[in-house]
Amino acid sequence: GAVVSQHPSRVICKSGTSVKIECRSLDFQATTMFWYRQFPKKSLMLMATSNEGSKATYEQGVEKDKFLINHASLTLSTLTVTSAHPEDSSFYICSARKAGGRKKAETQYFGPGTRLLVL
Amino acid sequence: GENVEQHPSTLSVQEGDSAVIKCTYSDSASNYFPWYKQELGKRPQLIIDIRSNVGEKKDQRIAVTLNKTAKHFSLHITETQPEDSAVYFCAASGPPPGANSKLTFGKGITLSVRP
Repeated sequence: GAVVSQHPSRVICKSGTSVKIECRSLDFQATTMFWYRQFPKKSLMLMATSNEGSKATYEQGVEKDKFLINHASLTLSTLTVTSAHPEDSSFYICSARKAGGRKKAETQYFGPGTRLLVL
Repeated sequence: GENVEQHPSTLSVQEGDSAVIKCTYSDSASNYFPWYKQELGKRPQLIIDIRSNVGEKKDQRIAVTLNKTAKHFSLHITETQPEDSAVYFCAASGPPPGANSKLTFGKGITLSVRP
């Protein structure tokens, strides 16, 4: 299988605080992980691509200093929402792409998501 | 960059009928086309995918067809059941490690299967 976990599943925080979300590939190694944001009844919006051992690549319009991404190992990437504001409230989902294997390299497996509410 | 259009935005079918969801893409370099099903509050689940070297792929009640010339691909669900009700997303990407190797998603379609 290809299982991706996310922690926490739900978090409520006060405005101005920082929140860290972890994304783990449990049974495979992932050289690349992706972070998405999803608004209610909307599609997945890619925020950034996280590559193990290198800096993340952010999509246009996403503030890299606000959404800090660290991909410390082949099984873990973290997203830190710094100085959170109510408009950062959203559903954040990560996905992981399997390392190696040319045919299956494109397949992405999604985590269960983290619902962030900033008061 | 890649642009994926998905239509219609909503689809309602009677249980037992077939459902067809269509997507178009813009980048001829895209070679991988997955379909994801997402239930409310849950993660997107990969239900089927197709690569550009084949024109059709089937898995039980689900099939996907790809027309590279026209740059469109479709999801076909036969004998629909109420549990098929969900949001379905199509996506396209090119081969890694290129700039187009990230998935570009369509806007999603809400499928409702009436019992």
